[in-house]
Amino acid sequence: KAGVTQTPRYLIKTRGQQVTLSCSPISGHRSVSWYQQTPGQGLQFLFEYFSETQRNKGNFPGRFSGRQFSNSRSEMNVSTLELGDSALYLCASSQARYTEAFFGQGTRLTVV
Amino acid sequence: TQLLEQSPQFLSIQEGENLTVYCNSSSVFSSLQWYRQEPGEGPVLLVTVVTGGEVKKLKRLTFQFGDARKDSSLHITAAQPGDTGLYLCAGERTNFGNEKLTFGTGTRLTIIP
Repeated sequence: KAGVTQTPRYLIKTRGQQVTLSCSPISGHRSVSWYQQTPGQGLQFLFEYFSETQRNKGNFPGRFSGRQFSNSRSEMNVSTLELGDSALYLCASSQARYTEAFFGQGTRLTVV
Repeated sequence: TQLLEQSPQFLSIQEGENLTVYCNSSSVFSSLQWYRQEPGEGPVLLVTVVTGGEVKKLKRLTFQFGDARKDSSLHITAAQPGDTGLYLCAGERTNFGNEKLTFGTGTRLTIIP
């Protein structure tokens, strides 16, 4: 059974640009959550999608957005990138909303 | 303010020694998970504990959920270099709160051969 796949693995962007990250959950999993991980703040929850609907949202500015497709694949978008957005972005999938989460390898975003 | 505090933040010990990592909160969680993360990778789920007082063993790792479901501990016996990594606890509150999983501050463990 394939795990959670995140693409791309690495990304370098310039301040002010926008970026889209992709996450393909484990087959059969309907819940996808996104997290930002930085050395200073640790793992911070961004948002959760279930059945194409955003169910929860963390304390991040509106520049961070996401969506989920009918096949449960999810994308997150960050507009007007700032240097502080440099982080490892992790996606986790679960069968249902409150079951065990399995993480992808993450996308390392560097904003210069 | 972090909802889940882990201690110690850093731990470096010799191969063969025992260690305990703590995860504490003032909030009650319906379940608590432990993950290990290696550099450049996503966290890998080790165990989920659900019942207050529950103890689970995974080879040399022993996980305990506090009776009040507010804290947890991870004990490693005879640590090996392969145990090196970032250990994260994560609590789940299904009845309220915006976050599906609240992560702890993490314990970076280094086992010296």
